[in-house]
Amino acid sequence: AQSVTQLGSHVSVSEGALVLLRCNYSSSVPPYLFWYVQYPNQGLQLLLKYTSAATLVKGINGFEAEFKKSETSFHLTKPSAHMSDAAEYFCAVTRNSGNTPLVFGKGTRLSVIA
Amino acid sequence: GAGVSQSPSNKVTEKGKDVELRCDPISGHTALYWYRQRLGQGLEFLIYFQGNSAPDKSGLPSDRFSAERTGESVSTLTIQRTQQEDSAVYLCASSLGYSGSGDTQYFGPGTRLTVL
Repeated sequence: AQSVTQLGSHVSVSEGALVLLRCNYSSSVPPYLFWYVQYPNQGLQLLLKYTSAATLVKGINGFEAEFKKSETSFHLTKPSAHMSDAAEYFCAVTRNSGNTPLVFGKGTRLSVIA
Repeated sequence: GAGVSQSPSNKVTEKGKDVELRCDPISGHTALYWYRQRLGQGLEFLIYFQGNSAPDKSGLPSDRFSAERTGESVSTLTIQRTQQEDSAVYLCASSLGYSGSGDTQYFGPGTRLTVL
């Protein structure tokens, strides 16, 4: 069975500082991994996804994530935080067959301080 | 083009009443998913449709929950005899529905259900 652990339910960074949101997964088969962002009172929006093509994945809004199989991690980073990045971020995993339900982490709320 | 839409956006009901939540997926998306997001929790999978069939209902928490999809389009999630623990945001997602390559799920804005 797959599972996702997001370390830190709340992360606070200063504007312009590095953003690092941690995600570790467990999967018995090669996974597909996703990061979604949820702005207040909105649905989830896909930031980026890993589908085995390249270990470093670039997404929207300057975010990127690196798949590290040896560490079973898929941490999300952004070099310089903007105020508009304040939101809830969810890491998710699914089986290597597409077309299957996502298993989500509990989410990390990112606050950006001016 | 239009994204996934859900209605109502908010629903307040009394304990014991039945509720119906609606999802309109992106046109042409054959796969449709329902998830539940309770306060402070991640998203829990409820049910998945491929076309009008539901090959995976494993996330439905009890027999009070049911869902159907018609015309490979609209889906309705029904909760009978609602309980306070059913209070949550119910999210619908749709995808093209092909295997491989990490079929991307697109989410609607959700229906916030409050059971008094």
